[in-house]
Amino acid sequence: GAGVSQSPSNKVTEKGKDVELRCDPISGHTALYWYRQSLGQGLEFLIYFQGNSAPDKSGLPSDRFSAERTGGSVSTLTIQRTQQEDSAVYLCASSSRVGGGTGELFFGEGSRLTVL
Amino acid sequence: AQTVTQSQPEMSVQEAETVTLSCTYDTSESDYYLFWYKQPPSRQMILVIRQEAYKQQNATENRFSVNFQKAAKSFSLKISDSQLGDAAMYFCAYRSASLAYKYIFGTGTRLKVLA
Repeated sequence: GAGVSQSPSNKVTEKGKDVELRCDPISGHTALYWYRQSLGQGLEFLIYFQGNSAPDKSGLPSDRFSAERTGGSVSTLTIQRTQQEDSAVYLCASSSRVGGGTGELFFGEGSRLTVL
Repeated sequence: AQTVTQSQPEMSVQEAETVTLSCTYDTSESDYYLFWYKQPPSRQMILVIRQEAYKQQNATENRFSVNFQKAAKSFSLKISDSQLGDAAMYFCAYRSASLAYKYIFGTGTRLKVLA
């Protein structure tokens, strides 16, 4: 696509429910990143993909968080048994390749998650 | 571990005036990249300007320029002739040359532009 697309734009859920957040990167971008942005905080690294593999999952806050990427394209971030502290904006970014090119990250508009 | 600090949570500037946003970072590496990203209310972050640490010359992009002081580990952003559309959150970011996927972001500075 022309840009990084994320869905849903906004999600309100009840505590304990599972949620899935989707990211469709720029076509041809092999690197994909997930970040979490909480109010007043910077961007917290969650996970990145190079192709379909995730070499570094160390940023995932707990085992309730998981992510996958299929076909080297779309990625899904899943949060199980959501907690109120999971409320944040989840940003996805892609780049042509890790460490290559200009190093520029291209971001989506994010998914705002609110856990009641 | 690398850290990025933006000590100004909020700044204001009069339209057409100049404003400087501060950023300091801590690293033991000699080769790295620094970025300023802008996040308007739409939430989509876009790259404003980029600096390679091995380059002594400060980067410039139209009304945006940086003052890169490698020894002081400082990377400030100057916006000249401020426009209403410059109002946004600005994030400073560091990227290691060795761990090329690892971007460290500061907590951001909210810039208000007054008409």
